[in-house]
Amino acid sequence: GQQLNQSPQSMFIQEGEDVSMNCTSSSIFNTWLWYKQDPGEGPVLLIALYKAGELTSNGRLTAQFGTTRKDSFLNISASIPSDVGIYFCAGRSGGSNYKLTFGKGTLLTVNP
Amino acid sequence: DTAVSQTPKYLVTQMGNDKSIKCEQNLGHDTMYWYKQDSKKFLKIMFSYNNKELIINETVPNRFSPKSPDKAHLNLHINSLELGDSAVYFCASSQETRAGGRYEQYFGPGTRLTVT
Repeated sequence: GQQLNQSPQSMFIQEGEDVSMNCTSSSIFNTWLWYKQDPGEGPVLLIALYKAGELTSNGRLTAQFGTTRKDSFLNISASIPSDVGIYFCAGRSGGSNYKLTFGKGTLLTVNP
Repeated sequence: DTAVSQTPKYLVTQMGNDKSIKCEQNLGHDTMYWYKQDSKKFLKIMFSYNNKELIINETVPNRFSPKSPDKAHLNLHINSLELGDSAVYFCASSQETRAGGRYEQYFGPGTRLTVT
């Protein structure tokens, strides 16, 4: 089946620093989604990407759909304490396959 | 005006019992999903219904039975609960069959199931 490798597994950073995380796939995806999960809550959609090479921002967050269609990147600039949480990438193939494949998540800790 | 809601939020029960989790979405989406998140936070799809039709059924024990009475609701019934069923179960929804659909899945707040 499809596999998604998300890295890093965890990050400990100081407030104000920039953060980068990425996902790579063993197969091509047509859609990449990035989610954030706070403790005790469900994943919340941050950014959706639909075209190879697409670069999309949501406030201090920027995500890119890799040109090979097998990877995606998420950057957070000027991190703040409320950025703490688990960030998940998710990819989806085309056609009538509705299934999202999720990465294992990146746990982000921000020290004030 | 919660988009995807689940009840209950917490469920503690004993092995062997039967329990149900309910999910409702008010986004007008045509597809709903059940995910299981284990202790390592890995999210795994269990089932998906599109317009009340089962379209994804991963290798889940027969003790798990989803039911979709209409497009806005997807319930999960679990028979003969086992210790290994303890996890957080998430419902999600998306719009799949509209032209130009963006296929973005929106998640509920989760149901934490603890089997003792």
